[in-house]
Amino acid sequence: EDKVVQSPLSLVVHEGDTVTLNCSYEVTNFRSLLWYKQEKKAPTFLFMLTSSGIEKKSGRLSSILDKKELFSILNITATQTGDSAVYLCAVVVGGTSYGKLTFGQGTILTVHP
Amino acid sequence: DGGITQSPKYLFRKEGQNVTLSCEQNLNHDAMYWYRQDPGQGLRLIYYSQIVNDFQKGDIAEGYSVSREKKESFPLTVTSAQKNPTAFYLCASKGTHAGGLGGEQFFGPGTRLTVL
Repeated sequence: EDKVVQSPLSLVVHEGDTVTLNCSYEVTNFRSLLWYKQEKKAPTFLFMLTSSGIEKKSGRLSSILDKKELFSILNITATQTGDSAVYLCAVVVGGTSYGKLTFGQGTILTVHP
Repeated sequence: DGGITQSPKYLFRKEGQNVTLSCEQNLNHDAMYWYRQDPGQGLRLIYYSQIVNDFQKGDIAEGYSVSREKKESFPLTVTSAQKNPTAFYLCASKGTHAGGLGGEQFFGPGTRLTVL
């Protein structure tokens, strides 16, 4: 059974702190790993990772994948209250281009002023 | 504007009733997906469809049914057989331009179903 585990499940920090969110996986037929941010409603896409060791960066957010150790991290530097959200990690598996996504439980990040 | 719409936003139903959740997209995407989200459990796949008139069960399909008669539409019916239907339901779609590596899915705003 495909499995994606995120840690920590929740995290409370103050503005300006740096956080690291973890995602580990055990799946068959790995295709890619995705990070999403979910505030109130629909998850919004952050990153797609397919190759080990190549950092993806967008502003204060960055992410990297380790396909040997089967995990990914999402870093957020200089956190702001607007970063408060649930961060979801998902792994795409399957033999076609419309592979299924298996999601982790999510990490609830709360950033206090 | 292109996107995915779900309706209604909130839905209440009595136990024993079937209810249908709507999902429409105008992104010209081939693949569509239904997920269920419960607190502390992330998203779980209910059904997905890669092409019109075809769909596959996801990880938790029992008590649900779908149809895909048009490319734009992928309604989900929550039947009375679903033992614990109260949840947040998300629809997503993905197009061919996302490539063969399994690219991003675009999500609708969700429907919150409460069974009374």
